[in-house]
Amino acid sequence: AQSVTQLDSHVSVSEGTPVLLRCNYSSSYSPSLFWYVQHPNKGLQLLLKYTSAATLVKGINGFEAEFKKSETSFHLTKPSAHMSDAAEYFCVVSVSSNYQLIWGAGTKLIIKP
Amino acid sequence: NAGVMQNPRHLVRRRGQEARLRCSPMKGHSHVYWYRQLPEEGLKFMVYLQKENIIDESGMPKERFSAEFPKEGPSILRIQQVVRGDSAAYFCASSPSGISTDTQYFGPGTRLTVL
Repeated sequence: AQSVTQLDSHVSVSEGTPVLLRCNYSSSYSPSLFWYVQHPNKGLQLLLKYTSAATLVKGINGFEAEFKKSETSFHLTKPSAHMSDAAEYFCVVSVSSNYQLIWGAGTKLIIKP
Repeated sequence: NAGVMQNPRHLVRRRGQEARLRCSPMKGHSHVYWYRQLPEEGLKFMVYLQKENIIDESGMPKERFSAEFPKEGPSILRIQQVVRGDSAAYFCASSPSGISTDTQYFGPGTRLTVL
């Protein structure tokens, strides 16, 4: 069975410092992996996705993620946090031949001024 | 090109009433998915539809919930005789095809509150 674990429910960083949001997945098949962001009372926006091409994926707003098969991880990073990055971030996996998206529980990113 | 549209954005119902949630996919997308998000949780898949067909409803509760995607008009998620436990955010997504590498584009969600 496929599953996603986001290791931190909350992450707090100061503006201008690096961001690391951790995600581990479990999948029997070659996965596709996504990060979505949800701002308060807003919809879900795709940040980036991995679909078996380059293992380092660049997304919008300066975010990137690296697929590490040996560690079954897909951590999201950003070199310098901005106040507008405060939101909830979801790591998501889907597997070949299955359109269902499996969602992590989310990580709330808090940016301190 | 308008994105995925959902209405209403907020819906309040009393226990026992019916809730109807609407979703218009992105132009050119014929695949629609419904997800439910309970407080402090990630989204959970409910149902996958193509025009006039339910492809997979394995995530739908067996009773009171139904979904349709008619030939004309939006997809509808219908909840009959709502209970407090149905209070959640319901998100609709659409994609141009049903393969796993396709991006699913999400609407803003409908937040259902059952009093």
